[in-house]
Amino acid sequence: QSALTQPASVSGSPGQSITISCTGTSSDVGAYNYVSWYQQHPGKAPKLLVYDVRSRPSGVSNRFSGSKSGNTASLTVSGLQAEDEADYYCSSYTGSSTYVFGTGTKVTVL
Amino acid sequence: QVQLVESGGGLVKPGGSLRLSCAASGFTFSDYYMSWIRQAPGKGLEWVSYISGSGSIIYYSDSVKGRFTISRDNARESLYLQMNSLRAEDTAVYYCARLGANYGGEPWGQGTLVTVSS
Repeated sequence: QSALTQPASVSGSPGQSITISCTGTSSDVGAYNYVSWYQQHPGKAPKLLVYDVRSRPSGVSNRFSGSKSGNTASLTVSGLQAEDEADYYCSSYTGSSTYVFGTGTKVTVL
Repeated sequence: QVQLVESGGGLVKPGGSLRLSCAASGFTFSDYYMSWIRQAPGKGLEWVSYISGSGSIIYYSDSVKGRFTISRDNARESLYLQMNSLRAEDTAVYYCARLGANYGGEPWGQGTLVTVSS
């Protein structure tokens, strides 16, 4: 199972919006609405931001929103803030009854 | 609160074995699928294995199949990962997470470092 494809880096200025893409196949992202997004700060464990493509756990800011079209899922961060600078990973359930993570995206706040 | 705490990491020689543990608290452990996920130094996340709440459904990534064994003890609210025939490429921080297809992965433990080196 190959990793889902994410851009290596995305940047934006405070207050702007950025979007991170996550491209898979018809056997994972395209097949199930079980796409999750995680935020990881250096030296910390990942934190769940979005699950089931667009659902947010309680306590997660509504500045984070998820969507999906075909084999590509996306995470949009609105009103970018300094604390949003981190690594972001997508994940999907697969047709092999396993999970696959994305390659990861480093977000820089300019 | 909902919490996961891993233990058991350390330095091991290639070909050796190690058993990781993950202690859960703050939720009904037996109700949830649990996973092990690892992260090699400076690299991305890699899903390793999951086990259903009852322990009857288990899956592994191809990279560890036949070498690693996941298990759980619901009475002790604990998850385990027995790692055998360890290789240098197994060096990583290993996280346990409450992970299910329709509820995502939350929480995660703090991670435990496994280093495979001679």
